[in-house]
Amino acid sequence: DAKTTQPPSMDCAEGRAANLPCNHSTISGNEYVYWYRQIHSQGPQYIIHGLKNNETNEMASLIITEDRKSSTLILPHATLRDTAVYYCIVRANRDDKIIFGKGTRLHILP
Amino acid sequence: EPEVTQTPSHQVTQMGQEVILRCVPISNHLYFYWYRQILGQKVEFLVSFYNNEISEKSEIFDDQFSVERPDGSNFTLKIRSTKLEDSAMYFCASSRQGASDTQYFGPGTRLTVL
Repeated sequence: DAKTTQPPSMDCAEGRAANLPCNHSTISGNEYVYWYRQIHSQGPQYIIHGLKNNETNEMASLIITEDRKSSTLILPHATLRDTAVYYCIVRANRDDKIIFGKGTRLHILP
Repeated sequence: EPEVTQTPSHQVTQMGQEVILRCVPISNHLYFYWYRQILGQKVEFLVSFYNNEISEKSEIFDDQFSVERPDGSNFTLKIRSTKLEDSAMYFCASSRQGASDTQYFGPGTRLTVL
């Protein structure tokens, strides 16, 4: 089973920052936090990942709390094309497979 | 930007028939995966493959399923004697290295078993 807890759905106004929370209170020291998203019926798309430090790339920022028990994915200027299911995933550095949960369905409102 | 490709995008088959789903992973990647997603359900891991061997498989991946890397570019999933419950989206993924390296997914093949 997935080791993360996410809200089932969220709304965000177009142009605003979308902040998607994730709880992973049982995360252990060798586990990374990964974020993927799935736009309707398409393949999961990698967004970003991190271990301890905050990370930023061209798609998003990942903020991980100091105790690593939760994180937030930030889409800085959401567009309608960001409407998708967002998955927060915890993976150990020995894990081949990705275990997907139900994710958060993000609706971007025009 | 290199990407994983899959063919066909949609496959319709009769129950009991065999199907082969094809994937072309990203060219310098060495680890390959298959996942499936039944409509309305979670994405589920099926199998991982490295160095011409299965490295891990799930309970779903029983004797009905097999994987192969027939040449230097393709990675295939064969489903023998398809059942109605095999209807799903099948996603191929690849990564350059193994455990915990980022996996990149293809667009999927929608399999419909009638």
